[in-house]
Amino acid sequence: EPEVTQTPSHQVTQMGQEVILRCVPISNHLYFYWYRQILGQKVEFLVSFYNNEISEKSEIFDDQFSVERPDGSNFTLKIRSTKLEDSAMYFCASSAPSDMGNTIYFGEGSWLTVV
Amino acid sequence: AQSVTQPDIHITVSEGASLELRCNYSYGATPYLFWYVQSPGQGLQLLLKYFSGDTLVQGIKGFEAEFKRSQSSFNLRKPSVHWSDAAEYFCAVASSGAGSYQLTFGKGTKLSVIP
Repeated sequence: EPEVTQTPSHQVTQMGQEVILRCVPISNHLYFYWYRQILGQKVEFLVSFYNNEISEKSEIFDDQFSVERPDGSNFTLKIRSTKLEDSAMYFCASSAPSDMGNTIYFGEGSWLTVV
Repeated sequence: AQSVTQPDIHITVSEGASLELRCNYSYGATPYLFWYVQSPGQGLQLLLKYFSGDTLVQGIKGFEAEFKRSQSSFNLRKPSVHWSDAAEYFCAVASSGAGSYQLTFGKGTKLSVIP
């Protein structure tokens, strides 16, 4: 079964550093997402991306965050100047066009620890 | 704004017993509803989804859920729980953007299974 893959699985970074989380969505999918889950809290929507631009973003997704699809397969989340409260599990996800069922498939997550 | 409530934070059942996990949602239009499962250290796996049609939906691993519009509920059930079902279960409601879906998750219910 096709899957969304994420790297790294775990990253520890110092406060103030920049982090890039990488994702390879399912190959025929056109919509890409980032969600995050702070330990013990809900999974929260960050951003959706379609046709090389952001289609929706939450209030969490401020200027500290950016997303990019640098080539035909990767989808990245960049966090500039990380803060302690950015420590969370970050999930990448993708979905196909609506005529293919609209299921959002998640990767296994990248656990970010900011120290 | 949409929201999802999972009233039970933690449920413990004996192996072989039946299971029902509760989910209530708040959404102005016809909801798209999902149940995801997260095993320790793993990503979010889709169990089942409801978009329209038959209000009783079947999913993977023997799970089913029933959409009850009058009660704004989408409870997850399984007739006989296996030890491998121990995990955290998330109910989610989707709002559709321009072809993409923004999921709003509940806080999750952790399921423990006693042998």
